[in-house]
Amino acid sequence: KNEVEQSPQNLTAQEGEFITINCSYSVGISALHWLQQHPGGGIVSLFMLSSGKKKHGRLIATINIQEKHSSLHITASHPRDSAVYICAVSASGSARQLTFGSGTQLTVLP
Amino acid sequence: DAGVIQSPRHEVTEMGQEVTLRCKPISGHNSLFWYRQTMMRGLELLIYFNNNVPIDDSGMPEDRFSAKMPNASFSTLKIQPSEPRDSAVYFCASSYDRVYGYTFGSGTRLTVV
Repeated sequence: KNEVEQSPQNLTAQEGEFITINCSYSVGISALHWLQQHPGGGIVSLFMLSSGKKKHGRLIATINIQEKHSSLHITASHPRDSAVYICAVSASGSARQLTFGSGTQLTVLP
Repeated sequence: DAGVIQSPRHEVTEMGQEVTLRCKPISGHNSLFWYRQTMMRGLELLIYFNNNVPIDDSGMPEDRFSAKMPNASFSTLKIQPSEPRDSAVYFCASSYDRVYGYTFGSGTRLTVV
């Protein structure tokens, strides 16, 4: 079993829809990260969170430490949101490196 | 700040050749990471440095891979000899301790033919 599981693997939505991507993890963590990768592009860090909720523009990330679960929400989705969204965790303790989920391919249709 | 700078952006080489990938982290960041991304395995950690010292190289596939960080502003990842299965996108990332998040470079797309 992977330490970080994402769902769904693929998601197609119509422009304007509310989108939710889920991430579950099995290890103790110091932080959880949401990353965005456009086709052929680099990786952009969207959020780093260890508790509660963070919001940036139309993006909202939440985490429930007790349930080992995080969600990334996109409100009023737009075709430019089409990308791969990756959940990653940095484990508790001294480890600084990230362990990644397999990513969610999001396609937003106009 | 120009962010994490990787070079080259693309590299095509023949099997058996030596390949060197380069990374300049963000000034002031004290951790540097090399990750590899493939379709089959996704993103995987190869090695990370803290204060220029290699801390965890358990992800380095085999002796053909080596990484150095001679100073706080430069790191290299070398593959010698290269093989077709090394074809992937190699990302460098840096951070300042865990609390300040990560910044990724644009990646180097390596193709070994």
